[in-house]
Amino acid sequence: QKEVEQNSGPLSVPEGAIASLNCTYSDRGSQSFFWYRQYSGKSPELIMFIYSNGDKEDGRFTAQLNKASQYVSLLIRDSQPSDSATYLCAVNRGYKLSFGAGTTVTVRA
Amino acid sequence: DTGVSQDPRHKITKRGQNVTFRCDPISEHNRLYWYRQTLGQGPEFLTYFQNEAQLEKSRLLSDRFSAERPKGSFSTLEIQRTEQGDSAMYLCASSLLHDGYTFGSGTRLTVV
Repeated sequence: QKEVEQNSGPLSVPEGAIASLNCTYSDRGSQSFFWYRQYSGKSPELIMFIYSNGDKEDGRFTAQLNKASQYVSLLIRDSQPSDSATYLCAVNRGYKLSFGAGTTVTVRA
Repeated sequence: DTGVSQDPRHKITKRGQNVTFRCDPISEHNRLYWYRQTLGQGPEFLTYFQNEAQLEKSRLLSDRFSAERPKGSFSTLEIQRTEQGDSAMYLCASSLLHDGYTFGSGTRLTVV
């Protein structure tokens, strides 16, 4: 079982819609959860992190964490063409981040 | 704060040659990480420094790989006797705490 699993996609959504990305993790001791955005050919960029169960909102992004289900998600509201990218879920325990393979999102204009 | 800098951005080398990459972290960050990313995969952990001490080295790193961080500032990653399987994006990241990393732009290595 992989440490971090994501729906591989690609996920295609119309402009203005909500994009929903899912991630599950295997290590119950994980403490912190991160979402990175990666444009093609570029390095990952941190967009959200969450530590506690529940929702955390930052602009058009909402991260949701359920530690009992070992599940973390990212919602992108009012999707824009500039949101077209690969979204990486990362989980840490201590100093090391384990990444999923990413979900590629395409926002159709 | 000029971000994490990596050099070079791209490197093409012949199989069997040695290559060295450099990373300059954000100045106040004492934690530095190297990751490797291949197409369609997430970054994979290679090694971690806290100040000048290398605290962990992944089993992914063979003896051909070595990393240093002299004086706890910049870091170098050297690959000896490169193989085609070493072709990847090599990412450096730094952090002050374990609250998410800031990645550099990466060094894309192509071994021909």
